[in-house]
Amino acid sequence: KNEVEQSPQNLTAQEGEFITINCSYSVGISALHWLQQHPGGGIVSLFMLSSGKKKHGRLIATINIQEKHSSLHITASHPRDSAVYICAVRGGGTSYGKLTFGQGTILTVHP
Amino acid sequence: DTAVSQTPKYLVTQMGNDKSIKCEQNLGHDTMYWYKQDSKKFLKIMFSYNNKELIINETVPNRFSPKSPDKAHLNLHINSLELGDSAVYFCASSQRGQTYEQYFGPGTRLTVT
Repeated sequence: KNEVEQSPQNLTAQEGEFITINCSYSVGISALHWLQQHPGGGIVSLFMLSSGKKKHGRLIATINIQEKHSSLHITASHPRDSAVYICAVRGGGTSYGKLTFGQGTILTVHP
Repeated sequence: DTAVSQTPKYLVTQMGNDKSIKCEQNLGHDTMYWYKQDSKKFLKIMFSYNNKELIINETVPNRFSPKSPDKAHLNLHINSLELGDSAVYFCASSQRGQTYEQYFGPGTRLTVT
């Protein structure tokens, strides 16, 4: 079992729908990252959070440290949101920023 | 102006060859990483350097050797390439002591035939 589990693995939505991607982890962390990988292959950091909630445009990320769970929400989804969304956790202490990744969620938004 | 760059973007080579991938960052960061993404898109860390010092060395065959000539560059040399080395390799950088937010390069798709 991976230390970081994402669900669902595949998600198909119609344009305008509200989308939620979940991430659960089993280790102690100092921060959690949400990354986006477009079909072209590049990886972009969307959020880094260690508590509470962050919002950027139509994207919202939340984390519950006690429950070891995070969610990424996309409001009013658009076809350009189609990408792989990856959850990654950063260990604490002397981990030097080492990230452990989930397996990714493939999101397809149809017009 | 590219923050983290990698060369080459594509690399096709035969089994047994030796190849290198180069990475450069112009963000002034002191920590750099190499990640491998397999055919199922799963990312895994391979190495990390902080100020030219190796600080993370995951279970990677010793055919893979990272080299950091300065803190803006981290190269990956691979000896005796095998079919299983085919993957996309990503370089990333971050700054310790701050947010550890990582910036990724565009990736190098390595195909071993």
